[in-house]
Amino acid sequence: DTAVSQTPKYLVTQMGNDKSIKCEQNLGHDTMYWYKQDSKKFLKIMFSYNNKELIINETVPNRFSPKSPDKAHLNLHINSLELGDSAVYFCASSQETKPYEKLFFGSGTQLSVL
Amino acid sequence: QQPVQSPQAVILREGEDAVINCSSSKALYSVHWYRQKHGEAPIFLMILLKGGEQKGHDKISASFNEKKQQSSLYLTASQLSYSGTYFCGTLSSNTGKLIFGQGTTLQVKP
Repeated sequence: DTAVSQTPKYLVTQMGNDKSIKCEQNLGHDTMYWYKQDSKKFLKIMFSYNNKELIINETVPNRFSPKSPDKAHLNLHINSLELGDSAVYFCASSQETKPYEKLFFGSGTQLSVL
Repeated sequence: QQPVQSPQAVILREGEDAVINCSSSKALYSVHWYRQKHGEAPIFLMILLKGGEQKGHDKISASFNEKKQQSSLYLTASQLSYSGTYFCGTLSSNTGKLIFGQGTTLQVKP
């Protein structure tokens, strides 16, 4: 069984559309994250949830809205997609938000905005 | 503040050694190392907590000098499977906000 799974793996869409990426973890972890990796491979944190509560919200446009229906799921909804949103989006989870907790990443969603 | 990694890229022959450095301008709680192969997710290698400890994972080890806010990853007798991009991630508080460096691309050739 995949520990952290994301769907879809590839997402190709037009500018202005709204899209969602889903993430689920079966590790029993309390904390989940969204990271964005741009074309230069820079991995940047976007959001973090602990037990369904938002704890990290980086300077991300309001068009990005995370939703955590339960602690095993963290979805990312993006409104009015722009060309600059093209990137690979990784979901991750960890047991807790402590300095020694390792992250488990999903396989990523390659988003291409045309 | 994003940590800075050096070098940006390394090309090795199988069996050679490499060192990847990671520096931060902030005091650190911990340093994390991950490896990402092309088209795949980053995979955890190790975490170093403040205290200057050194850790090892097969022929890959790392050190953390909290006074200098630096960490180094040592790859010994490199194998083809070591190829990929290595990221250091730093935590400067206990908020869980892991900030990654820009990555170091390692290519091991036969």
